[in-house]
Amino acid sequence: DAKTTQPTSMDCAEGRAANLPCNHSTISGNEYVYWYRQIHSQGPQYIIHGLKNNETNEMASLIITEDRKSSTLILPHATLRDTAVYYCIVRANTGNQFYFGTGTSLTVIP
Amino acid sequence: ETGVTQSPTHLIKTRGQQVTLRCSSQSGHNTVSWYQQALGQGPQFIFQYYREEENGRGNFPPRFSGLQFPNYSSELNVNALELDDSALYLCASSSTPGSSNQPQHFGDGTRLSIL
Repeated sequence: DAKTTQPTSMDCAEGRAANLPCNHSTISGNEYVYWYRQIHSQGPQYIIHGLKNNETNEMASLIITEDRKSSTLILPHATLRDTAVYYCIVRANTGNQFYFGTGTSLTVIP
Repeated sequence: ETGVTQSPTHLIKTRGQQVTLRCSSQSGHNTVSWYQQALGQGPQFIFQYYREEENGRGNFPPRFSGLQFPNYSSELNVNALELDDSALYLCASSSTPGSSNQPQHFGDGTRLSIL
């Protein structure tokens, strides 16, 4: 599985959009990009995933660059409850596991 | 729809003991994966079970073993507990093994402390 690089921490003002970047320069053509988040003392929560097209659901939007070497998770209107560690994961087509890094610790500030 | 449930939520053991952790998969899911998460780290894959057989394993010693039952629930067993086994143990279920287009859904874990 391709390795991902994320900033260690970020802050975002409440009500503003939170844009979390992720680099995955060694991604292969059949590998999906997944985003999870983990709020303290809970299990990771699935947010969104995509292959090459931009994706949107009720939680977030995922923007994948055309060369697929990086992506951005967008939380359109961050709330205090969005404070969490966000993991960007690249998953191989034949992979049965997720490789988590250390993620980005997002703090939403009132 | 019932999510992934794990038991117990917390457990304290001493070195050398054995422990069994339990996981019920989300309804409709037939694949269960186990992860270990040390404090301040991301989860690390232990192994996956599909059709009651191990379907992939991470870099964990044989004293970490598992089972999957016909109802798709699963157990994680750890023998000869060591201090470094103190961690949050997470179970995740999915509908198909190895399909990169299927997310895994996680439970809230079992916090294991070794004294």
